Amino acid sequence: GENVEQHPSTLSVQEGDSAVIKCTYSDSASNYFPWYKQELGKGPQLIIDIRSNVGEKKDQRIAVTLNKTAKHFSLHITETQPEDSAVYFCAASIIKDFGNEKLTFGTGTRLTIIP
Amino acid sequence: NAGVTQTPKFQVLKTGQSMTLQCAQDMNHEYMSWYRQDPGMGLRLIHYSVGAGITDQGEVPNGYNVSRSTTEDFPLRLLSAAPSQTSVYFCASTARRLADNEQFFGPGTRLTVL
Repeated sequence: GENVEQHPSTLSVQEGDSAVIKCTYSDSASNYFPWYKQELGKGPQLIIDIRSNVGEKKDQRIAVTLNKTAKHFSLHITETQPEDSAVYFCAASIIKDFGNEKLTFGTGTRLTIIP
Repeated sequence: NAGVTQTPKFQVLKTGQSMTLQCAQDMNHEYMSWYRQDPGMGLRLIHYSVGAGITDQGEVPNGYNVSRSTTEDFPLRLLSAAPSQTSVYFCASTARRLADNEQFFGPGTRLTVL
């Protein structure tokens, strides 16, 4: 089955600087790669996702890049703010005929923004 | 829309007790899943369902049962709780659509087995 590795497990960044979190996956059939943000005491919430037919996607201060050949994808957060402090999870999935049945998650990165 | 709801929020069980974690969604999503979250291990899939009457095992199904009698509800049953099942449990749902693949998560149930 799919295996997703995520690094680093913890990351501290000065407010205003950029943060980068990296993930690798094992199954070349995976074609959907979401990133989730989890705040304390809450469930994960989707912040950005990318499909395998796209190399990069950006949404304001957040961007995701995908390298299918190397089987890795990364989350980039620019101009970090205190509210970006949270645990971030990458995930991978094989989108079949009718949609996304299940996700395989990375182990998470605790991001702390230092004011 | 309430989205995905889970009850209870917290539960303490003794080894060997049984209980059911409830999950409901009001978005008419066909796909529903149960994950457990343990420190340092991310979220791992327990069971999932692609529609009413259809369920399948995920990565860590042992010790858990599920059923899907309606589109809205997807309860998770622990028949004989063990300390290894101490975890935070999340239910999620997704629409059966190629163009929209976001999984929506509930707020979680924190379970402690003594």
